[in-house]
Amino acid sequence: TQLLEQSPQFLSIQEGENLTVYCNSSSVFSSLQWYRQEPGEGPVLLVTVVTGGEVKKLKRLTFQFGDARKDSSLHITAAQPGDTGLYLCAGGEGRTNAGKSTFGDGTTLTVKP
Amino acid sequence: GAVVSQHPSWVICKSGTSVKIECRSLDFQATTMFWYRQFPKQSLMLMATSNEGSKATYEQGVEKDKFLINHASLTLSTLTVTSAHPEDSSFYICSADLRETQYFGPGTRLLVL
Repeated sequence: TQLLEQSPQFLSIQEGENLTVYCNSSSVFSSLQWYRQEPGEGPVLLVTVVTGGEVKKLKRLTFQFGDARKDSSLHITAAQPGDTGLYLCAGGEGRTNAGKSTFGDGTTLTVKP
Repeated sequence: GAVVSQHPSWVICKSGTSVKIECRSLDFQATTMFWYRQFPKQSLMLMATSNEGSKATYEQGVEKDKFLINHASLTLSTLTVTSAHPEDSSFYICSADLRETQYFGPGTRLLVL
């Protein structure tokens, strides 16, 4: 069974601060996704990274996939109240496991105005 | 693109009745869909993998006779909670696989009285 450890579990910061969320595993993933979920809604895909060492930017969000494809980070610059939500990382196992993904436990982010 | 819908978005039912939840991929075909259950402020718990034209694969501890899954077409999977009880009350979310990335529906809130 593959595991993804996500940290921190909870994060409460002031508007304008920076933050980083980590996703770590001892297993190699074929791809890794980051999702953001608001209460009462389904997770929304933010990004997919597939290449070791890959860095992707989405406005104030920067995503990095580790060189060995075992870990990933999400960095948010100048957080805003609209960034509040549950952030989930998911490791894709490809066709070796019927397309299933392994999900981290999530990071609940609260950005206070 | 990659839009997934769920219906209904919320449902209240009496104990002992059955409830059907539909998951549709609106702009793509999905051979594989997944059904999750989510408790408040927690990550997603995979219940089963739904494969078009074949039987669903259930995760350990999930009763296949209680949570009936049908994936009759490449755009529709249904989850039927049979003889629902209050402990089945939860947020149910489906996802559809597209090129090894999961796209989620908006979720269905089930309350069993």
